[in-house]
Amino acid sequence: NAGVTQTPKFRILKIGQSMTLQCTQDMNHNYMYWYRQDPGMGLKLIYYSVGAGITDKGEVPNGYNVSRSTTEDFPLRLELAAPSQTSVYFCASRPFSRGSYNSPLHFGNGTRLTVT
Amino acid sequence: GENVEQHPSTLSVQEGDSAVIKCTYSDSASNYFPWYKQELGKRPQLIIDIRSNVGEKKDQRIAVTLNKTAKHFSLHITETQPEDSAVYFCAASTGNQFYFGTGTSLTVIP
Repeated sequence: NAGVTQTPKFRILKIGQSMTLQCTQDMNHNYMYWYRQDPGMGLKLIYYSVGAGITDKGEVPNGYNVSRSTTEDFPLRLELAAPSQTSVYFCASRPFSRGSYNSPLHFGNGTRLTVT
Repeated sequence: GENVEQHPSTLSVQEGDSAVIKCTYSDSASNYFPWYKQELGKRPQLIIDIRSNVGEKKDQRIAVTLNKTAKHFSLHITETQPEDSAVYFCAASTGNQFYFGTGTSLTVIP
């Protein structure tokens, strides 16, 4: 299995441009997540999905949109990019877990985005 | 929502010494606590996790302890080696979400 694959690895955007960060997983995981990582700030949840057709906002959703049309893919869309969106973006997935306890997240390699 | 605090933000130890990283959480409904290691420029990778029905878990040189009453959990690394140098993140999970601490940069000095 390739696991969680993110593209592109690096991208530079100008203010006001749009782009889509791609994320795909081949582990048949139900749950998928998008996080952003800023220096000294840990990982902040942007959006997540519990299955195809279902998405929910996380802690920092403003300026982003997502869709989940298939189990495998969970793209993150940035509209009207702003310098505040300069960050490293990680996609993650995890399988459905029976019982009360969650299963761990599996992360992709990240996309480093700079908005200038 | 859940709030996870992590201390210290940086930690330097001599090779062979032990390292301890501490986290607190706010939501008593959180019941799953993973720890991730992130090397420079790489993805976070799970190193150990603990469920709320267990007080301690050990895997070779790594152990995690959980105190549900006090809402804190800790990562213990014994006999540290230079390859343990990385950023470590704790997380607390409740419902479908995972909330991360701000990370601890561990440096092991040979």
